[in-house]
Amino acid sequence: SQQGEEDPQALSIQEGENATMNCSYKTSINNLQWYRQNSGRGLVHLILIRSNEREKHSGRLRVTLDTSKKSSSLLITASRAADTASYFCATDNTGGFKTIFGAGTRLFVKA
Amino acid sequence: GAVVSQHPSWVICKSGTSVKIECRSLDFQATTMFWYRQFPKQSLMLMATSNEGSKATYEQGVEKDKFLINHASLTLSTLTVTSAHPEDSSFYICSARSPGQGVETQYFGPGTRLLVL
Repeated sequence: SQQGEEDPQALSIQEGENATMNCSYKTSINNLQWYRQNSGRGLVHLILIRSNEREKHSGRLRVTLDTSKKSSSLLITASRAADTASYFCATDNTGGFKTIFGAGTRLFVKA
Repeated sequence: GAVVSQHPSWVICKSGTSVKIECRSLDFQATTMFWYRQFPKQSLMLMATSNEGSKATYEQGVEKDKFLINHASLTLSTLTVTSAHPEDSSFYICSARSPGQGVETQYFGPGTRLLVL
């Protein structure tokens, strides 16, 4: 089962621009994670934000979490062609032990 | 960091045959492993939770008799796709948790691509 939705489903931007992806989920969570997946490859863990945190930074990545709206956003600043990939949010639900993935956003950064 | 491996990385088989995929935690003991399936241009769908020494817990809609999971040791879980058909062609990814490192610590394998002809 999938936890929620991500938007946009696909995003095409120019190198140097910022990319923002959103994720919504349905149940109470312990934490939310963002992953990157290059075409046909495995997952790369980007960042984890706990339910009691509102914002987190890692390099060019900025993640926000709004538990009242059950949503999160991932901002990639100064995008590069190498950022072209699919990005997924995933949640660890309260009381559960499973990680459930969102639908993903396919990002294409044009050089 | 912790590493999870999968073997094989890709496999092609004929329709009707069975395929076994291994998931190993290389430098930690994983009491719980998870199996996901990903179809092209789609997200990862959780198939089942594999617990060492006990039966796997399958997600709704996943046929337990078709996707056999065995978590015989703290470092190895196997997924066997029985009587595979072309619609089983997919990217299968495992992940492993170690409770000693916290519930939120999960490590993903590189995936196994299955093509059933």
